[in-house]
Amino acid sequence: QSALTQPASVSGSPGQSITISCTGTSSDVGTYNVVSWYQQYPGKAPKLMIYEATKRPPGVSNRFSASKSANTASLTISGLQVEDEADYYCCSYATGGTWVFGGGTNLTVL
Amino acid sequence: EVQLVESGGGLVQPGGSLRLSCAASGFPFSGYSMNWVRQAPGKGLEWLSYISSTTSVITYADSVKGRFTISRDNAKYSLYLQMNSLRAEDTAVYYCARESGYAFDMWGQGTLVTVSS
Repeated sequence: QSALTQPASVSGSPGQSITISCTGTSSDVGTYNVVSWYQQYPGKAPKLMIYEATKRPPGVSNRFSASKSANTASLTISGLQVEDEADYYCCSYATGGTWVFGGGTNLTVL
Repeated sequence: EVQLVESGGGLVQPGGSLRLSCAASGFPFSGYSMNWVRQAPGKGLEWLSYISSTTSVITYADSVKGRFTISRDNAKYSLYLQMNSLRAEDTAVYYCARESGYAFDMWGQGTLVTVSS
């Protein structure tokens, strides 16, 4: 049950696009097509942004998109806005009926 | 209103026990699997435990297996986490989260557990 690997931080300017990677193993990301992504503001509960690797829940901006290839999933935010500044976590279902989160990525919008 | 509300957090001594509760409302609780997730101060999210809608399947993270017990009462729309043999490293905000399609689509506001002498 090792954590998925995410960059600790990424940054971008308003209007730009950024991508956050999430690397797992064949026991989680590589086998199960159910990676999810969460946005979390300081002191707040996480919010689901992406599920089943590429799908957006109702109400989530289409500026958020995601993909998955082999053991790596990616979250892309296009047209960066100041309000996108937050922590982002990936998560995958894993062997044994468990889930594993990534370490989290702090997004700074400069 | 569709929501999850955790309670039961607080200060406990190392080796002590605590029982967290999560009250669900606004959706058919018995139709959903539920989870507990925690976040230590300044750290990332850590999945802890899963319970299926009928309690037929229960799983735990290695970090809490044998010390924590998840349970639910569908009639009371409630989820629980019994935490025993608590350690300093269990200090965290504990969230309950609804699972749908292998994702956590609804979260409570969290309850803080502090393990300290």
